[in-house]
Amino acid sequence: AAGVIQSPRHLIKEKRETATLKCYPIPRHDTVYWYQQGPGQDPQFLISFYEKMQSDKGSIPDRFSAQQFSDYHSELNMSSLELGDSALYFCASSFPGTSGYEQYFGPGTRLTVT
Amino acid sequence: GQQLNQSPQSMFIQEGEDVSMNCTSSSIFNTWLWYKQDPGEGPVLLIALYKAGELTSNGRLTAQFGITRKDSFLNISASIPSDVGIYFCAGQMDSNYQLIWGAGTKLIIKP
Repeated sequence: AAGVIQSPRHLIKEKRETATLKCYPIPRHDTVYWYQQGPGQDPQFLISFYEKMQSDKGSIPDRFSAQQFSDYHSELNMSSLELGDSALYFCASSFPGTSGYEQYFGPGTRLTVT
Repeated sequence: GQQLNQSPQSMFIQEGEDVSMNCTSSSIFNTWLWYKQDPGEGPVLLIALYKAGELTSNGRLTAQFGITRKDSFLNISASIPSDVGIYFCAGQMDSNYQLIWGAGTKLIIKP
């Protein structure tokens, strides 16, 4: 079965640089969620999109922005990167209806800021 | 901050043993989800629970949605080496689908 695709899988950036992470949800899934996970931590919700509109906002820094495109893929844009932004970034997608509560995660992007 | 208390934090067990972990909250949840995460990988959904009292199995895994809607447990029977990983509970309180996460239970199987 098709899964959530994230790219790149690994990314190394320097402080103050920008980064763009991409997420391709499972086909027919219309909702995308972004999470940040530090070492030994549970995933922290950043932001979500439903039908290309922002649906919920969590602890996303002002330096980050995201959007969902007409083909439902989503991009997380990160600017003025800081050392503390080093983490695993996950995208998850869900299907509408009762199973919309089930979020399916991608493999993640490991971002290292040096 | 976290609103779910997940325990135990870690477990050291022998292969073949049964495992039990649980999550509790002071708040009522509408949905409970259990995920497993391997190092460097994304969480994989194991079981989803939607009704108070619901008991659901997925192979050797069994999970229940507590009657009070404030807790859930996950049992793994006859553990095998590939069960090693971190298990997370996650709950949803309302209709915006945002997940509240437990801190995770790290399962380690002694050789």
